[in-house]
Amino acid sequence: NAGVTQTPKFQVLKTGQSMTLQCAQDMNHNSMYWYRQDPGMGLRLIYYSASEGTTDKGEVPNGYNVSRLNKREFSLRLESAAPSQTSVYFCASSRGTDNTIYFGEGSWLTVV
Amino acid sequence: GQQLNQSPQSMFIQEGEDVSMNCTSSSIFNTWLWYKQEPGEGPVLLIALYKAGELTSNGRLTAQFGITRKDSFLNISASIPSDVGIYFCAASYGKLTFGQGTILTVHP
Repeated sequence: NAGVTQTPKFQVLKTGQSMTLQCAQDMNHNSMYWYRQDPGMGLRLIYYSASEGTTDKGEVPNGYNVSRLNKREFSLRLESAAPSQTSVYFCASSRGTDNTIYFGEGSWLTVV
Repeated sequence: GQQLNQSPQSMFIQEGEDVSMNCTSSSIFNTWLWYKQEPGEGPVLLIALYKAGELTSNGRLTAQFGITRKDSFLNISASIPSDVGIYFCAASYGKLTFGQGTILTVHP
């Protein structure tokens, strides 16, 4: 029962470096999401993809780009990492944008 | 935009006590969800509510979809140490919105 799988689990980056977080779901869901979680801030939506071929900005999109590669995969890219992007990142998916969301296990990113 | 006010922000309780937390909003929703996040993990769905007034239980957990469609509560009865974690409410009306979370600590 894989559900939502995201990689890597842990990553340390230097300021200015780029990296891509990968996410895949095996539930045939239409919608996929990237959230970040910071202490005291709850879950904040970065970008989402309501369906294959579409992406939209969430609450905190600055500094990020996304690609909905196919129905299964939704990647998050940091082009030039900044210390403010140190956070835990969660990928999630749902059947539709108003349906129950299922989360991956998280990716811990530290930018030094 | 739609905002959820989740309270309390944190709770420190003794094992065996009952717990109650709630989420309120000025907006109406057609789905309410409750998630639990344990340290180092992603949030996991506990209970989903789809109808105003609906009361649903999952073991020691009980949640209700408020009759006004603007609020929901989650109760945990006879808490145990493994109930520790962050509990999030979420509500949907076309798009899902999350509360800020309630941090639950249970002392043995």
